[in-house]
Amino acid sequence: DAGVIQSPRHEVTEMGQEVTLRCKPISGHNSLFWYRQTMMRGLELLIYFNNNVPIDDSGMPEDRFSAKMPNASFSTLKIQPSEPRDSAVYFCASSMAGFPRTDTQYFGPGTRLTVL
Amino acid sequence: DAKTTQPPSMDCAEGRAANLPCNHSTISGNEYVYWYRQIHSQGPQYIIHGLKNNETNEMASLIITEDRKSSTLILPHATLRDTAVYYCIVRATRGFQKLVFGTGTRLLVSP
Repeated sequence: DAGVIQSPRHEVTEMGQEVTLRCKPISGHNSLFWYRQTMMRGLELLIYFNNNVPIDDSGMPEDRFSAKMPNASFSTLKIQPSEPRDSAVYFCASSMAGFPRTDTQYFGPGTRLTVL
Repeated sequence: DAKTTQPPSMDCAEGRAANLPCNHSTISGNEYVYWYRQIHSQGPQYIIHGLKNNETNEMASLIITEDRKSSTLILPHATLRDTAVYYCIVRATRGFQKLVFGTGTRLLVSP
């Protein structure tokens, strides 16, 4: 299996521009997570989906951020408009949620976003 | 908020065992202990998890105290590639429980 795939790996944009990050989860997984990592705040969960439905978006910083999962094999995280403080590494992770055993999250390589 | 406490950094000589401690004194009966690590510029990588029994896999061993208030991750023969930040996380087993990453332990394996 190719693992979680994220694109692009690096993105440099100017303040005010729209940014779209993409994620393809591991085939067969039913949960998908978006994380953001910065030096100041560490690794924090933004949103997660189960069976393509957003379950918890309490970590989304503000209305400029939105995430979608139109099908089981694709998700996007959009920032519009982008700001310099959005500069971070964004990780996507997927898992096979089940009961009663816990699920293990597998992370992608991340997208390094720089907003100038 | 993270429910665990870990030392900020540790050193280990290559080939020796690395023992990474974690305190989770407020752990609940339905919470597992998870360990992940993050090698520089990569995404976090799952290592191992356990509830109350000791666990071992091809990567590491997890020792959980009888009262479950602390645990130790053991890398039996550390290599330079094990240099990373190691995160200890407690997470409930039921429902959609998210991983909350703390600051972790930065392990440096030296020749």
